Amino acid sequence: KNEVEQSPQNLTAQEGEFITINCSYSVGISALHWLQQHPGGGIVSLFMLSSGKKKHGRLIATINIQEKHSSLHITASHPRDSAVYICAVRPFSGGGADGLTFGKGTHLIIQP
Amino acid sequence: DAGVTQSPTHLIKTRGQQVTLRCSPISGHKSVSWYQQVLGQGPQFIFQYYEKEERGRGNFPDRFSARQFPNYSSELNVNALLLGDSALYLCASSEGTGVGQPQHFGDGTRLSIL
Repeated sequence: KNEVEQSPQNLTAQEGEFITINCSYSVGISALHWLQQHPGGGIVSLFMLSSGKKKHGRLIATINIQEKHSSLHITASHPRDSAVYICAVRPFSGGGADGLTFGKGTHLIIQP
Repeated sequence: DAGVTQSPTHLIKTRGQQVTLRCSPISGHKSVSWYQQVLGQGPQFIFQYYEKEERGRGNFPDRFSARQFPNYSSELNVNALLLGDSALYLCASSEGTGVGQPQHFGDGTRLSIL
């Protein structure tokens, strides 16, 4: 079982829909990251969370440390939001290193 | 300001060969991490270097090695290449180390092994 599980793996929605991507993890963490990866590989960091909720534009990220769960929400989705969204955690067990443990990603397609 | 730059962008090698991938961090960033992303999977942590010292290593064989130079740029070396080493290799930099340090990713080097 992966330490970081994302759902759904694939999501197709219509423009304007409210999108939710979920991330569950099984290890103690000091931080959780949401990242966006476009075709071709480049990764952009969207959020870094250790508690509560963060908002940036149409994107909202929440984390529940007790339940080991995080969600990424996209309001008023747009075709340009189409990308792979990846959840990654910084485990306590990393021995001081900052190496992240990643989920497999959620492939999101927003249709016009 | 330039972001994290990686070279080359694409590379084709054959089994048994050796490869060196390069990463230049954002100016002022002293930490560099390397990740391997196999097609269809999330990235996996390979190494972190900070101030030219190895700070962490993932679960990769000794065929993988890295180093960081005085200007904080970094090289990842892979010896005796296997077909399974075909992947996107990502470099990420941060100013320092610790929980509050966001990582900034380059566009990656796509390595294909024939």
